[in-house]
Formats: sequence, C-alpha cells, structure tokens
Amino acid sequence: GAVVSQHPSRVICKSGTSVKIECRSLDFQATTMFWYRQFPKQSLMLMATSNEGSKATYEQGVEKDKFLINHASLTLSTLTVTSAHPEDSSFYICSALAGETNTGELFFGEGSRLTVL
Amino acid sequence: QKEVEQNSGPLSVPEGAIASLNCTYSDRGSQSFFWYRQYSGKSPELIMFIYSNGDKEDGRFTAQLNKASQYVSLLIRDSQPSDSATYLCAVIKAAGNKLTFGGGTRVLVKP
Repeated sequence: GAVVSQHPSRVICKSGTSVKIECRSLDFQATTMFWYRQFPKQSLMLMATSNEGSKATYEQGVEKDKFLINHASLTLSTLTVTSAHPEDSSFYICSALAGETNTGELFFGEGSRLTVL
Repeated sequence: QKEVEQNSGPLSVPEGAIASLNCTYSDRGSQSFFWYRQYSGKSPELIMFIYSNGDKEDGRFTAQLNKASQYVSLLIRDSQPSDSATYLCAVIKAAGNKLTFGGGTRVLVKP
C-alpha cells in the first residue's frame, strides 16, 4: 500500500522554541493532507486540512498562527509548532489522501511525539 | 452529542471468541464509514471501510452498516491476542473529505 513518512518520530524541545514536523507521501501524490493531534487516551482530533498550493483550512479552535502548515509540493506538507509550550506536548499524526475522496484511501504517517519541556 | 460515539471499553474477550464493537454517528448525511486499529504509541491503520447498508466481510472482520439507525459495527471473529488494540470508528460526512473519529474502543483479547 501507499506509504506516508513522518519525521521526526520523536522530538523534545524547550518551551518557547519552534518545531517543524514533515509529512511525505513516498509513492503517490497527495493534493490533500490532514494533520491530527492525539492526547493520551484520547482520539484523533483534526487540526487542519492542508491543500497543495493553497492555504490550509484550520478546524475551529486551532490557532493558525501557532500551528503553521505549508504544503508546497504534492508530496510534502509541514507542520511548524511555533513558540511551543508544555501543553502542546502531544502525538501529531499526518495523513494523506490518495485517489478520490470518500474511497477510504487515507494513509497515515507514523506520528511524531512532541514533548515540550 | 458527539459526532461519532463509541464505548471506550475496555472490551475484554477470550481468545477465539467474537469481539463486537459498535459506533453511532449523528450526521444522517454521512456517507463513508471506516474502522481503524491503533496500537499504543502507533498511528492508526485502516481495517476496512463500508459505504452501503448491510454487511461487508474481509477475513476475520465484518463491518455492518445501518444508516437508518445511524450505527456501524465491527465484528472480529476468532479474536487473537494480537487484536488487542484500540479500534477507532471514523466517518466522512456528506460532500466532504474530512474524517471525524470516535473516541475509540479498547479491546483486550485474553489468551
């Protein structure tokens, strides 16, 4: 099946710094990628929809200036957590849509665990 | 009311038994329904999807969809200890491509 690679898998940073997470579709082009956040023992919460060549669409309550999303190519989307705080510590997961909408061909990256000290 | 609801569990089943998981959704216009399995610390992996009312079988897994009652279920036959994980129900609403996840049901298969 299609592969989505996410990097880094784990990152620890100091409070106030910025962290960039990359999401790459390795063997297909993804015009749409999604960024999720998952806190311990909770489900995935959609943060934003990333569209190649256009601005991301953020879900209600997600600060667009804090979580910067760039989808510069059909195989790469990045999420930058700016001025990170301990409450931003979470498991961040990207997914990429392969093929037509509603077909279920949504492939997830391995996730990135962010710990902010 | 949450958009997608699941019993958090844990659902404990003996090895070899059938595990039955349920999921209800609030948007009657939802079109596509998915079951994902997530092991602790890992990202979700798709088990199966279903679009039409009725049953869909894939190996030991059977998804059942009832749009009139707005629920979708997953049966795991001959449960194995390796099936122990959290199972996430996800829904795509009409005219959209965003997955909305339920809270997940934790399943424990005991040898």
